[in-house]
Amino acid sequence: DAGVIQSPRHEVTEMGQEVTLRCKPISGHNSLFWYRQTMMRGLELLIYFNNNVPIDDSGMPEDRFSAKMPNASFSTLKIQPSEPRDSAVYFCASSFAVEGYTFGSGTRLTVV
Amino acid sequence: DAKTTQPPSMDCAEGRAANLPCNHSTISGNEYVYWYRQIHSQGPQYIIHGLKNNETNEMASLIITEDRKSSTLILPHATLRDTAVYYCIVRVAHQAGTALIFGKGTTLSVSS
Repeated sequence: DAGVIQSPRHEVTEMGQEVTLRCKPISGHNSLFWYRQTMMRGLELLIYFNNNVPIDDSGMPEDRFSAKMPNASFSTLKIQPSEPRDSAVYFCASSFAVEGYTFGSGTRLTVV
Repeated sequence: DAKTTQPPSMDCAEGRAANLPCNHSTISGNEYVYWYRQIHSQGPQYIIHGLKNNETNEMASLIITEDRKSSTLILPHATLRDTAVYYCIVRVAHQAGTALIFGKGTTLSVSS
């Protein structure tokens, strides 16, 4: 099992550009979560899906952020347009039923 | 979900047991206690969870008081690699409509 796979590992982009983060959950897991981590705010839940359906997106900071899960094996988090304050580490996690979450290695986003 | 209280930091000597406390005085009967840890620059890692009975796995032991208002995560023989932020989270067992919300956790420093 390769675990939760996130890409890219690092992303540096200019303010105003579109950024797309990708996540492949563990096969068989039916829930997927996107988190953002900064020194100031800690680990924040952005959005999560259950059986590919978005359940709660109240953590998405603003309309510039969007997430999709077109199938059970792929999800994207898009920021358009990006801003310097979006700089953070973005984690994707997946789980099944009452089992613990498995997190990916994260994408470190820097917006300059 | 019930709120948890953890000390911001703890120290432990290598080879000794690390006992990390967590208070959750408002826990409900159907809420589990979950423990995760995050080693610097990595994604959080699931450690253990329990409802009311003590639990043990290859990583740690979880001791929950009889009234369930507090718990202790025990790392029996701490190593330098156990230096991390440890999160105690209380929530209803996984179901659609819920997700883990991370607080500030306890920073455990293991030294030789």
